[in-house]
Amino acid sequence: GENVEQHPSTLSVQEGDSAVIKCTYSDSASNYFPWYKQELGKRPQLIIDIRSNVGEKKDQRIAVTLNKTAKHFSLHITETQPEDSAVYFCADDLGSARQLTFGSGTQLTVLP
Amino acid sequence: DVKVTQSSRYLVKRTGEKVFLECVQDMDHENMFWYRQDPGLGLRLIYFSYDVKMKEKGDIPEGYSVSREKKERFSLILESASTNQTSMYLCASSLSPSHYEQYFGPGTRLTVT
Repeated sequence: GENVEQHPSTLSVQEGDSAVIKCTYSDSASNYFPWYKQELGKRPQLIIDIRSNVGEKKDQRIAVTLNKTAKHFSLHITETQPEDSAVYFCADDLGSARQLTFGSGTQLTVLP
Repeated sequence: DVKVTQSSRYLVKRTGEKVFLECVQDMDHENMFWYRQDPGLGLRLIYFSYDVKMKEKGDIPEGYSVSREKKERFSLILESASTNQTSMYLCASSLSPSHYEQYFGPGTRLTVT
């Protein structure tokens, strides 16, 4: 399938600072962009998602923005806390609801 | 609460063995998926199934096959295990084509020696 490029691969921030992770996709038919969080030793879980007809979506300290023209979407975490430390994966649906293509992941570390 | 379970958390097999990884979901989901997770490579789709006895290749199907005889169960088969198939294997399910969220199992850490 088409690639979803995710950057950075590792990110360290001080507690209370903001973190931003960016993904770039290539298929203009992509319609759905979720973000999954995987804590150490645990399964990935959906934390937020956005569809192509929306530019931004917020849920408390996390938000996702989508720029369809530039074909990129970003995860924003504000007021980071130690429990935000995890691997975050972006994904897109390549225009098909049947499957997702995932990015390579970002290891976020929140330093106390 | 959706529950996706996998038959083993850890598995050690020898090169050339036939390996079965099983996944069961209890929420009547139509879609089921098998991924492998390797450091720096993210989650790569091996196979998926959107109905009983239906299967479609993902991005890395070589060396793997799948079976879905019942809606709740999706099996990944390594016909002849090789050392490069040492990895974490994650199963997932989603309700239907119009419901995108995937629910993951706990994963099986497979080591092939």
